[in-house]
Amino acid sequence: SAVISQKPSRDICQRGTSLTIQCQVDSQVTMMFWYRQQPGQSLTLIATANQGSEATYESGFVIDKFPISRPNLTFSTLTVSNMSPEDSSIYLCSVEGTVSYNEQFFGPGTRLTVL
Amino acid sequence: AQSVTQPDIHITVSEGASLELRCNYSYGATPYLFWYVQSPGQGLQLLLKYFSGDTLVQGIKGFEAEFKRSQSSFNLRKPSVHWSDAAEYFCAVGASGSARQLTFGSGTQLTVLP
Repeated sequence: SAVISQKPSRDICQRGTSLTIQCQVDSQVTMMFWYRQQPGQSLTLIATANQGSEATYESGFVIDKFPISRPNLTFSTLTVSNMSPEDSSIYLCSVEGTVSYNEQFFGPGTRLTVL
Repeated sequence: AQSVTQPDIHITVSEGASLELRCNYSYGATPYLFWYVQSPGQGLQLLLKYFSGDTLVQGIKGFEAEFKRSQSSFNLRKPSVHWSDAAEYFCAVGASGSARQLTFGSGTQLTVLP
């Protein structure tokens, strides 16, 4: 399975600011995913990021709030814009398996607290 | 659209006891099914998966799960729980042919008593 790292691991931010989360994979992958895990909740898919194309957002998530970049096959960023306390969550990136494309492997997550 | 139900929010077992975590799914075709574990402050680790074939699948850390189509279930089991198994467990379903439609259950928090 791929080794996935995320930066930062955690952050505390002020309302109205933006935070960019980085996701780095140790191998080339076609599809990367960004999830949100609100406190005490399960995971919700924010968007799917393919290299060289615009990210595909799930219902309830918009590009202005969660812009995503995917400049190459090993890296992606998610920005949480104009943050409010409701954005306090764990944000996780994941990648499809390279042997089996029907499974996903997850990074350690970024724990965000918005004051 | 697919959905996953984990009816048990929290389960407590004694170390050495057996464990079964329940998962029911809703999906029109044969689903791809997964169990993930999340330890405190960690990301998700894949325990096991079912795509096709043998309905009893073995995973890491001594876990196994059984796919029962008639009951739309994919319950996770372990014969003897260790204190290090305390974590949150998520069942997920994926649409056939693509992993991008992973849908997660609400999770089951496992507490292990010494």
